[in-house]
Amino acid sequence: GENVEQHPSTLSVQEGDSAVIKCTYSDSASNYFPWYKQELGKGPQLIIDIRSNVGEKKDQRIAVTLNKTAKHFSLHITETQPEDSAVYFCAASVTGGFKTIFGAGTRLFVKA
Amino acid sequence: EPEVTQTPSHQVTQMGQEVILRCVPISNHLYFYWYRQILGQKVEFLVSFYNNEISEKSEIFDDQFSVERPDGSNFTLKIRSTKLEDSAMYFCASSRRLAGGSTDTQYFGPGTRLTVL
Repeated sequence: GENVEQHPSTLSVQEGDSAVIKCTYSDSASNYFPWYKQELGKGPQLIIDIRSNVGEKKDQRIAVTLNKTAKHFSLHITETQPEDSAVYFCAASVTGGFKTIFGAGTRLFVKA
Repeated sequence: EPEVTQTPSHQVTQMGQEVILRCVPISNHLYFYWYRQILGQKVEFLVSFYNNEISEKSEIFDDQFSVERPDGSNFTLKIRSTKLEDSAMYFCASSRRLAGGSTDTQYFGPGTRLTVL
């Protein structure tokens, strides 16, 4: 069945450093890849997404890259701040489908 | 900015009891979803709903689960006879209809924490 693998499970960085989270998906039909940030006690909040017709997308300090051939996609956060500390989930779905498959999550700690 | 809302924020119930979790999706969205997240684990898809019927469901969504859109604004998840292992956060999500009839970005509510004793 469909699966999304996410690494690392925990990531600790110093404030100002970059953080990279990597995901791999199994369903070659997947063409939409959102990233969600989940803070304690809250629901997942969309922070950025990418569609399969582009290889990279950037929004201020956040960027995502997609390698369709390798079925890899990554989240890059630059100049990390303590408020970036949260659990980050990658996900994959098929536009026109309904099910979104989530990765297991990465707990990011940004130390001041 | 429009948001998905969910009530209650926390529900405690006895094993075997029925619970109804409620959601108000974003008003112009037409696709609705329920997900669950067992403590410390990944978010898992339960069911999607469009045009007043289930469009897709996972193996988790067995006969004890049902969904309903009782009016123009609410979307509910009913668990008929709760089990201990149903204890989890339940998230509602909604998405809009794109040109051509497809959908993509799902917006999540804050969740209902269900505790089954």
